[in-house]
Amino acid sequence: DIQMTQSPSSLPASLGDRVTITCRASQDIGNYLRWFQQKPGKSPRLMIYGATNLAAGVPSRFSGSRSGSDYSLTINSLESEDMAIYYCLQHNEYPRTFGGGTKLELK
Amino acid sequence: EVQLVESGGGLVQPGRSMKLSCAASGFTFNNYDMAWVCQAPKKGLEWVATISYDGSSTYYRDSVKGRFTISRDNAKSTLYLQMDSLRSEDTATYYCARRGFAYWGQGTLVTVSS
Repeated sequence: DIQMTQSPSSLPASLGDRVTITCRASQDIGNYLRWFQQKPGKSPRLMIYGATNLAAGVPSRFSGSRSGSDYSLTINSLESEDMAIYYCLQHNEYPRTFGGGTKLELK
Repeated sequence: EVQLVESGGGLVQPGRSMKLSCAASGFTFNNYDMAWVCQAPKKGLEWVATISYDGSSTYYRDSVKGRFTISRDNAKSTLYLQMDSLRSEDTATYYCARRGFAYWGQGTLVTVSS
């Protein structure tokens, strides 16, 4: 199975900060990587698909990038509504695997 | 508007069965693969199973193989998850999702406890 190692697990940050969350894939997954945002009591929301493409309706302060087997989600100029848990997902092969999650919270 | 509405969750004893449903609307159901994803209380997301658009192919995570069965009724635009031999570790909110995971249901909570 492909392991998705997500870091950090917790990320304290201030409003206006630029933050980056990373997932490392244990095997090649190409660009079959998606990022999700989940707020308490809510269903996950797709933020990034194809490693770098912004999903519909997602603010432009979110971006995705790839460097080898490392995939990153960056949020520029953090806003209060961005406080949530973020997950990556590889969908290159079965079983699909999620990263462990990153809780983004106010410092 | 795409809508996915899960139902069928609740409290069930270990070893018993439960069947979840996901009613889809707002899109051509039989054009899309569908999936179930679960989330144990205060834990992360776990993919459970996927079924192809026509039901011909199914995929499962190892921990549910032989116990869970994903199926669909395209005439009813409904996805199912039959869960047998339930264990306490199956306790989770179960979400259905459309291919690509751009659309999710609101989730249904399954609690396995005596």
